[in-house]
Amino acid sequence: SSELTQDPAVSVALGQTVRITCQGDSLRSYFASWYQQKPGQAPVLVIYGKDNRPSGIPDRFSGSSSGDTASLTITGAQAEDEADYYCNSRDTSGRHNVFGTGTKVTVL
Amino acid sequence: QVQLQQWGAGLLKPSETLSLTCAVNGGSFSDYFWGWIRQPPGKGLEWIGEINHGGSTTYNPSLESRVTISVDTSKNQFSLKLSSVTGADTAVYYCARVDWGGWWFDPWGQGTLVTVSS
Repeated sequence: SSELTQDPAVSVALGQTVRITCQGDSLRSYFASWYQQKPGQAPVLVIYGKDNRPSGIPDRFSGSSSGDTASLTITGAQAEDEADYYCNSRDTSGRHNVFGTGTKVTVL
Repeated sequence: QVQLQQWGAGLLKPSETLSLTCAVNGGSFSDYFWGWIRQPPGKGLEWIGEINHGGSTTYNPSLESRVTISVDTSKNQFSLKLSSVTGADTAVYYCARVDWGGWWFDPWGQGTLVTVSS
């Protein structure tokens, strides 16, 4: 098994850029996927694979990875981007999924 | 456009068995894995397990002794059972489609709040 660690909270000024990171050993072998969750709603996939966005996700969301760290970047953050964000990947065994600890993004 | 619709009992007593079902409407059932995730109130997401259309399962080691995920391909449905529940199992439970190419979850069901209380 393995863990994925995220910063608990970050803030960003409206229209500015914010990067959310996710760290874990499994990320050396597997891409992270990223989910946005607003209060009272189910999570929504925003990034998957190397840097892919599902249909309907704005192009201000992008993903990257280096070594044991994956990142989600919001370029030009909007008020509606205020939410909790979770990363996810396979664990080091390759048999189980694991979620990150989550990051609360506040848009100022 | 695939949609997942889930249902099940929302209030359980300690030691009872949680039972939830998720119906898959649209898309291919056999080309994906199908998973369950939960989220205790105010906390993060926890992966419970997954199943493919052939019935092959993988579970979170921390829950494996109490979890059973099954599939009914004739109805395009899959189900979760969690035995011997306690207050620690109180959570919103989500079903989701799993893309085994990269193990991401999309889409998700609407979620079911399950409360365990005597």
